[in-house]
Amino acid sequence: SQTIHQWPATLVQPVGSPLSLECTVEGTSNPNLYWYRQAAGRGLQLLFYSVGIGQISSEVPQNLSASRPQDRQFILSSKKLLLSDSGFYLCAWNPGLPSEQFFGPGTRLTVL
Amino acid sequence: DAKTTQPPSMDCAEGRAANLPCNHSTISGNEYVYWYRQIHSQGPQYIIHGLKNNETNEMASLIITEDRKSSTLILPHATLRDTAVYYCIVRVNNQGGKLIFGQGTELSVKP
Repeated sequence: SQTIHQWPATLVQPVGSPLSLECTVEGTSNPNLYWYRQAAGRGLQLLFYSVGIGQISSEVPQNLSASRPQDRQFILSSKKLLLSDSGFYLCAWNPGLPSEQFFGPGTRLTVL
Repeated sequence: DAKTTQPPSMDCAEGRAANLPCNHSTISGNEYVYWYRQIHSQGPQYIIHGLKNNETNEMASLIITEDRKSSTLILPHATLRDTAVYYCIVRVNNQGGKLIFGQGTELSVKP
């Protein structure tokens, strides 16, 4: 069966510090991968998606970047965090269309 | 992707059917209707999706109007654990399959 992992579960970082959130999927190959952010009390915003290794599409201009160094690994990064980067970050995958997306447990990031 | 409109909140009595409406008047012929829900502090959970026929699975039923401009998600016997935010999304099955979430409907199931 397929499993999606995200870590860490929670993170508190000072403004200006770097960020690296990791997402991995097990039990499948060549998944589509996605990063979403949910600010407090708001809906989910799609940040990045990837249909293959090294292929990243950015949905909104922002302070973050994404990379996909391996088929089942998706990384969200920032060189310098802003207060507005606080939120609940969710990784998701689907095996292909028109399948549904499966979401990971999320990382709650607080930037102070 | 077509935009969806949902009521911000709804209440439902435990054991009764919960009917959650969604308007998607600008939907195009190749866009599917998807429903997800998000329980507090968890990732969204897929519920059901359809193109033009009504669909049913172990979680819910999806009723899509003939003109496809609106749909209704039905939870036949709501329980307290169904309290969540429910998102209706229309999506084309290309562009990497991305989902564009709106604000959803916050369903409160009350005893």
